[in-house]
Amino acid sequence: DGGITQSPKYLFRKEGQNVTLSCEQNLNHDAMYWYRQDPGQGLRLIYYSQIVNDFQKGDIAEGYSVSREKKESFPLTVTSAQKNPTAFYLCASKYQGPNTGELFFGEGSRLTVL
Amino acid sequence: DQQVKQNSPSLSVQEGRISILNCDYTNSMFDYFLWYKKYPAEGPTFLISISSIKDKNEDGRFTVFLNKSAKHLSLHIVPSQPGDSAVYFCAARYSGTYKYIFGTGTRLKVLA
Repeated sequence: DGGITQSPKYLFRKEGQNVTLSCEQNLNHDAMYWYRQDPGQGLRLIYYSQIVNDFQKGDIAEGYSVSREKKESFPLTVTSAQKNPTAFYLCASKYQGPNTGELFFGEGSRLTVL
Repeated sequence: DQQVKQNSPSLSVQEGRISILNCDYTNSMFDYFLWYKKYPAEGPTFLISISSIKDKNEDGRFTVFLNKSAKHLSLHIVPSQPGDSAVYFCAARYSGTYKYIFGTGTRLKVLA
């Protein structure tokens, strides 16, 4: 079945450690996104990528990094510079075609910093 | 600065009645609006969308209304069902871009 796979679903990290969240899609979508959800703050955009080898910062990119070496993959690294990394992270993708506007989301990854 | 706002954090509605969820935006550069439904610890699922050139879009029990002059959109669910209980997010896309901004969400509870 086609879809977006995020892994791991749950992740614990010690302060000062970098951690990478995986996002893979087999929908043949061109654009991919990372959002963060915190209670009462909705979904906030971290990074997005329209095509391979290109990505743009969202509203809260500080302390995060991404890469887009393959169309199917858009990993997110939460670095030690991110001051409050505990959150629910959501990856999404979108088909780059006419008259298609919706994002498709993965199931999310919950990161807890101990 | 929150450019997409959902001012009601929660809403309770009786089963069978209408649910109306509201969303306000401040940026005139949005050209496409969407509504998503989300359960805890899951990814949001797409419900319905509307282009800025329209003022209404309907899909089954769900209707989205867009009032561009007021920079306001709403989602109507009729009739409401207990399975509709979830958090609803509105989202907006910047015109000519792939950038989507989400609101803070409204928790809907449909009472049986």
